[in-house]
Amino acid sequence: GAGVSQSPSNKVTEKGKDVELRCDPISGHTALYWYRQSLGQGLEFLIYFQGNSAPDKSGLPSDRFSAERTGGSVSTLTIQRTQQEDSAVYLCASSQTGGAGNTIYFGEGSWLTVV
Amino acid sequence: DQQVKQNSPSLSVQEGRISILNCDYTNSMFDYFLWYKKYPAEGPTFLISISSIKDKNEDGRFTVFLNKSAKHLSLHIVPSQPGDSAVYFCAASAVGAQKLVFGQGTRLTINP
Repeated sequence: GAGVSQSPSNKVTEKGKDVELRCDPISGHTALYWYRQSLGQGLEFLIYFQGNSAPDKSGLPSDRFSAERTGGSVSTLTIQRTQQEDSAVYLCASSQTGGAGNTIYFGEGSWLTVV
Repeated sequence: DQQVKQNSPSLSVQEGRISILNCDYTNSMFDYFLWYKKYPAEGPTFLISISSIKDKNEDGRFTVFLNKSAKHLSLHIVPSQPGDSAVYFCAASAVGAQKLVFGQGTRLTINP
């Protein structure tokens, strides 16, 4: 498809397990973002990748969270030892280039429930 | 530290009338503002944006107004339609920054 693709769309996991969420950005987009939205909250920035530059990890809430982007395209967000407060929808987005003034386009999200 | 605030969690408007969604920000370095619309179980979709060099931008039924001195922006939808029922997020980015900072969202309900 032409949009941002995320998988899985839904994931239920037991507390303490690790999860991986995948994002396929729009073809040709060099910037990739991860956000999350907890119940009743706004969109919280997690991490940003731009080309070959070092990622901006300033939004990652703890060292249990990590992300990588291979080959400048697909990205994986990993949450280790999941906790119930990690339950949220994790949204990936991409933009043609990074920086201010660029519209970012979101995927449909990966809904994570930690039980 | 909530740099972008949408103080109304919900808004209900009659079909055909004007919907006005408000957003306040605190960071004077923000220079680009956007509105996103989100339906349940979908990702946010871009609606309209405005640069700080402007005070108004219009796209069909949607108009965004920016008041820099008050650090306030608003989204006007006129006339409102049932399909406009969604959660609306305002977002801002600062000069030289890569990430968008989002507000908490306002749930708009258009009543027939």
